[in-house]
Amino acid sequence: EIVLTQSPATLSLSPGERATLSCGASQSVRGRYLAWYQQKPGLAPRLLISDASNRAIGIPDRFSGSGSGTDFTLTISRLEPEDFAVYYCQQYGTSPFTFGPGTRVDIK
Amino acid sequence: QVHLVESGGGVVQPGRSLRLSCAASGFTFSAYPFHWVRQSPGKGLEWVAVISYDENSKLYADSVKGRFTISRDVSKNTLYLQMNNLRTEDTAMYYCATQQPPAYWGQGTLVAVSS
Repeated sequence: EIVLTQSPATLSLSPGERATLSCGASQSVRGRYLAWYQQKPGLAPRLLISDASNRAIGIPDRFSGSGSGTDFTLTISRLEPEDFAVYYCQQYGTSPFTFGPGTRVDIK
Repeated sequence: QVHLVESGGGVVQPGRSLRLSCAASGFTFSAYPFHWVRQSPGKGLEWVAVISYDENSKLYADSVKGRFTISRDVSKNTLYLQMNNLRTEDTAMYYCATQQPPAYWGQGTLVAVSS
């Protein structure tokens, strides 16, 4: 099983600031099959990024993903008030398709 | 417009069974894989199972292998999760989702396993 770690666990930032979230894998993620999700309280997750760097339909371009192998990054260029949430990475290249533990982005 | 609606959750005793359903609409049900993902209260996401578009492939998390079965009924545009021998640690919100990676999600159905 591929274990994903996310850092930091919590990121405290102000609106307008840049957020950089990391996702590390215990072994190489096949085919860059790495996704990022946003989840707000009481709601289902929302897909942001697939294949490490492809924005999902309707996702603003302030969200970008990068990385390959075992190291991946989600960047939010300028935080909007609606971006404060929990973010998860998931690898879907090798079953079981594991999630990371999440990074909470909260308002400083 | 893609619409997924889960049902079948509830309170159940350890060792008992429960079947979850996910009704799909707004797209070609038979063309896409489906997942179940769960989230224990206050915790992170846990991938549970996936079924391929043609039902030829079914994959499971180790934590549910041998106890849970994923299936789909094309005639009813419905996904299922048969959960047997439930444990307290199976208590969670269960989401169905479709595409790979999961791009469209339902609102979830809550399963509570308690004596």
